[in-house]
Amino acid sequence: DGGITQSPKYLFRKEGQNVTLSCEQNLNHDAMYWYRQDPGQGLRLIYYSQIVNDFQKGDIAEGYSVSREKKESFPLTVTSAQKNPTAFYLCASSKRDGQPQHFGDGTRLSIL
Amino acid sequence: LAKTTQPISMDSYEGQEVNITCSHNNIATNDYITWYQQFPSQGPRFIIQGYKTKVTNEVASLFIPADRKSSTLSLPRVSLSDTAVYYCLVGDGGDYGQNFVFGPGTRLSVLP
Repeated sequence: DGGITQSPKYLFRKEGQNVTLSCEQNLNHDAMYWYRQDPGQGLRLIYYSQIVNDFQKGDIAEGYSVSREKKESFPLTVTSAQKNPTAFYLCASSKRDGQPQHFGDGTRLSIL
Repeated sequence: LAKTTQPISMDSYEGQEVNITCSHNNIATNDYITWYQQFPSQGPRFIIQGYKTKVTNEVASLFIPADRKSSTLSLPRVSLSDTAVYYCLVGDGGDYGQNFVFGPGTRLSVLP
């Protein structure tokens, strides 16, 4: 079955540590997105990518980094510069930008 | 960037029809209207998308008046499993992802 896989489902980070969240899709979609969701809030866009080797900052990119070396993969690194990383992180893809997005089941990141 | 306004919460009873209205006064000519559903600890799921008049699929209908400044998601005969947060988005993706903003959504509670 086609879809988006995010891993791990739960992740814990120590102070000063970088962590990387995985996002893989087998839908042959060109566009991929990362969102952050805080309790009771909507989704906020962190980064997005239209094609391989290209990505753009969203509304809250500070403290995060991404790469898009393969069409299927769009990993997100939460760096130590992100002072409040505890949140639910969602990855999405769409056939092209503007088309309905398909979401993964998310990764919940917590600070130890 | 078209901003949307939705009610924060709604209650309904099983078997009733639920209508959730979204206001988007500054919708642009090229913008589509898209609705998503999100259950706790899951990614949003695409429900329906439309441009004008009425769109219907197996789970919902979307009504859009001629001026397109609002839209109404209609869920026929809701069940307990329809309890979720519903997001209205407006955009065309022309600026590569920046046109889609997830607000706080409408929290629908279906009561027995």
